Amino acid sequence: DAGVTQSPTHLIKTRGQQVTLRCSPISGHKSVSWYQQVLGQGPQFIFQYYEKEERGRGNFPDRFSARQFPNYSSELNVNALLLGDSALYLCASSPAGRNTEAFFGQGTRLTVV
Amino acid sequence: KNEVEQSPQNLTAQEGEFITINCSYSVGISALHWLQQHPGGGIVSLFMLSSGKKKHGRLIATINIQEKHSSLHITASHPRDSAVYICAVYSNTGNQFYFGTGTSLTVIP
Repeated sequence: DAGVTQSPTHLIKTRGQQVTLRCSPISGHKSVSWYQQVLGQGPQFIFQYYEKEERGRGNFPDRFSARQFPNYSSELNVNALLLGDSALYLCASSPAGRNTEAFFGQGTRLTVV
Repeated sequence: KNEVEQSPQNLTAQEGEFITINCSYSVGISALHWLQQHPGGGIVSLFMLSSGKKKHGRLIATINIQEKHSSLHITASHPRDSAVYICAVYSNTGNQFYFGTGTSLTVIP
């Protein structure tokens, strides 16, 4: 079985641009969460989606948005990129009703120059 | 103040040594994970705990719910154990994970 897959693996953008990151959960998982991990820090919660609805949001500006599709895959969008948005963006999926279980993807390394 | 505190931040050990990484948290939790992150980013959950103790090979994880403390032990450490170990708790009120900043472990042959 495929695990959580994220694309792209690496990305370089310039300040002010917009970026879209993608995540495919483990088959059968309906919950997807996004995390930002700045170098040297632990991950920080950005969003949780379940059944295409936003179920939780961390302390991130409105430049960050996400959505979940009928097949439970998800996109994270970041507008008006800042240098400080450079980070590893992690996606995790969880089985329905078991949010305490999280399976992480390999992440997307975003560099903003 | 971070909801999850880990210590030490960095750890260097000789191959074969017994290693302990500690985690303290301040929120009510449904579960605690010990995660392993290798260079390049991918995170793997080593253990999920809600009480007591779990063992998998050379790894042992314990949790004391009353004291809000968990430890990860590695017996007979090996260079392939070199990684960042992150403690993460699932808050039973915020319905989200909180993460420690990680412990960078280097095991020298």
